[in-house]
Amino acid sequence: SQQGEEDPQALSIQEGENATMNCSYKTSINNLQWYRQNSGRGLVHLILIRSNEREKHSGRLRVTLDTSKKSSSLLITASRAADTASYFCATVQNTGTASKLTFGTGTRLQVTL
Amino acid sequence: EAGVVQSPRYKIIEKKQPVAFWCNPISGHNTLYWYLQNLGQGPELLIRYENEEAVDDSQLPKDRFSAERLKGVDSTLKIQPAELGDSAVYLCASSLSTSGGAHEQFFGPGTRLTVL
Repeated sequence: SQQGEEDPQALSIQEGENATMNCSYKTSINNLQWYRQNSGRGLVHLILIRSNEREKHSGRLRVTLDTSKKSSSLLITASRAADTASYFCATVQNTGTASKLTFGTGTRLQVTL
Repeated sequence: EAGVVQSPRYKIIEKKQPVAFWCNPISGHNTLYWYLQNLGQGPELLIRYENEEAVDDSQLPKDRFSAERLKGVDSTLKIQPAELGDSAVYLCASSLSTSGGAHEQFFGPGTRLTVL
């Protein structure tokens, strides 16, 4: 079952613009991760934000987390054509020593020249 | 460092036939995951191994799906017999899991299964 829902389902922007994707989830979490998936490839981890953090940056990525609203957002600044991919949020519930990742439905981002 | 390796990358079979997927995780990673990804959806966990023990197989359809991770390294996922609805991408991931940590998972490229 999918834990999160991403919004929008699809997003088309021009190179240089910013892209914002939102993720809502249902249950309490330990942390939340964002992954990118290029067409026909596996997922690549982008960034992790813990439940006690509100904002995190990594290069052109900015992630926010609002646990009271059970939502997160991923902002990609100054987008490039190479950012074209599907982006998934994954909520994490640590179970013992390993993490149980539950993915959302994804946002398909298209960056055009 | 080599990533997660999966084979085959693509598989086309007729319904009712058996099929098997193989995964070699990143060296040293103790936790291995198999996910199912339908078109336009996010991955869904099928089974999680910690070393050689299956610690979460609640989403694995056990009537036709089976998995093993002998010696706590490589893993195989088998479907027998395959049904039309099994057409999907099967992803393998691994992580180095320690107590209390937040664990990044590393994914393989997946096996795209088409059942005709």
